[in-house]
Amino acid sequence: DVKVTQSSRYLVKRTGEKVFLECVQDMDHENMFWYRQDPGLGLRLIYFSYDVKMKEKGDIPEGYSVSREKKERFSLILESASTNQTSMYLCASRTGGAAKNIQYFGAGTRLSVL
Amino acid sequence: AQTVTQSQPEMSVQEAETVTLSCTYDTSENNYYLFWYKQPPSRQMILVIRQEAYKQQNATENRFSVNFQKAAKSFSLKISDSQLGDTAMYFCAFMKLGIQGAQKLVFGQGTRLTINP
Repeated sequence: DVKVTQSSRYLVKRTGEKVFLECVQDMDHENMFWYRQDPGLGLRLIYFSYDVKMKEKGDIPEGYSVSREKKERFSLILESASTNQTSMYLCASRTGGAAKNIQYFGAGTRLSVL
Repeated sequence: AQTVTQSQPEMSVQEAETVTLSCTYDTSENNYYLFWYKQPPSRQMILVIRQEAYKQQNATENRFSVNFQKAAKSFSLKISDSQLGDTAMYFCAFMKLGIQGAQKLVFGQGTRLTINP
């Protein structure tokens, strides 16, 4: 089974802190994604990466950055956390092959910024 | 840009009943995929069912089936003989085909489904 692991289930940070959310997948997937999930808004794409060291902005990249130094790991960085970044963050990965367009998700990290 | 709309924020049915979740989408693309994802209270999102737009036949996975109406841009999910384990948030999602960078999922707002005993 594909496994996408997010390092923390719950995280509490202070305004202005630098926050790292880590995601690791074990299926050698080319594509990795970071979403935030808010009630009534569904999932919104923050950033994605289709290869090592490659990154593309999603729909809401402001206030976030990402890092992909190794194929299996995709990190989301909040340079200076703000209260409006309190949310559930979901990581996902997917193979690059067109025949298998199934995206696998991690369990999520619920981040509270106080 | 593509948009996906789920007009039912919450639904509730009795166990063993059949329930249909609605989803509409807006796109000018002709080739694309549609998905239903399920997010149980434990939060791990899993794929329920997917449909390729070029296939006229509706996808079916055991108790889950879809009604795909391409002209109407409608993609509803039917759950037959509902079970307590079907309680979850359900998300409809769209993905257009194309170069790697263009293959992003666009999600609807979600429908919270509760199956009552």
